[in-house]
Amino acid sequence: GAVVSQHPSWVICKSGTSVKIECRSLDFQATTMFWYRQFPKQSLMLMATSNEGSKATYEQGVEKDKFLINHASLTLSTLTVTSAHPEDSSFYICSASLGPVSGNSPLHFGNGTRLTVT
Amino acid sequence: GQSLEQPSEVTAVEGAIVQINCTYQTSGFYGLSWYQQHDGGAPTFLSYNALDGLEETGRFSSFLSRSDSYGYLLLQELQMKDSASYFCAVRDPEIKAAGNKLTFGGGTRVLVKP
Repeated sequence: GAVVSQHPSWVICKSGTSVKIECRSLDFQATTMFWYRQFPKQSLMLMATSNEGSKATYEQGVEKDKFLINHASLTLSTLTVTSAHPEDSSFYICSASLGPVSGNSPLHFGNGTRLTVT
Repeated sequence: GQSLEQPSEVTAVEGAIVQINCTYQTSGFYGLSWYQQHDGGAPTFLSYNALDGLEETGRFSSFLSRSDSYGYLLLQELQMKDSASYFCAVRDPEIKAAGNKLTFGGGTRVLVKP
């Protein structure tokens, strides 16, 4: 159980366009989902916490107007990278868990989206 | 804030044992997790320690010492498929974060050679 699906797995877009990434919890309801960004050979950096039915909480330094998050249902969160630029090229990964993180309730990650902005 | 330190890279041969250390600084402690990530893939959960001591899961074990703010992941009988990055992580202490928010260490790339 606890499968997180992310789509698309990769996308190439032109500078100035917007890209939407979907994250779904397939077999459980996730009131909270997390969006991470990872540059090559680096760690996972939390961008924002997506809350179902309310505004997302962004980490310091992450532009909320550039990275739009919508969590309209208990199984779907979307991240839209607006007016993408080459420096936004990265690996974006969403995650969710069944409850407070523990050995029985770890974070489950989607397979990630490789974004390349040309 | 929270911070975690772990070595950047380790190389070992098949069949060997590798220990990946992780030291952390956090304002509150709710357990140390370990995740494995193959290149281009998603992180997958390996183990979790909330209390001091050793947790064993097959070839992988994880240890925690809360008094030392230190833990390690032990990979035994290394196989080629164990070549990956390994991340330690701690949970955000703020309850309003739904208890799921994790901060990750920089990751340790393990390269297993024949």
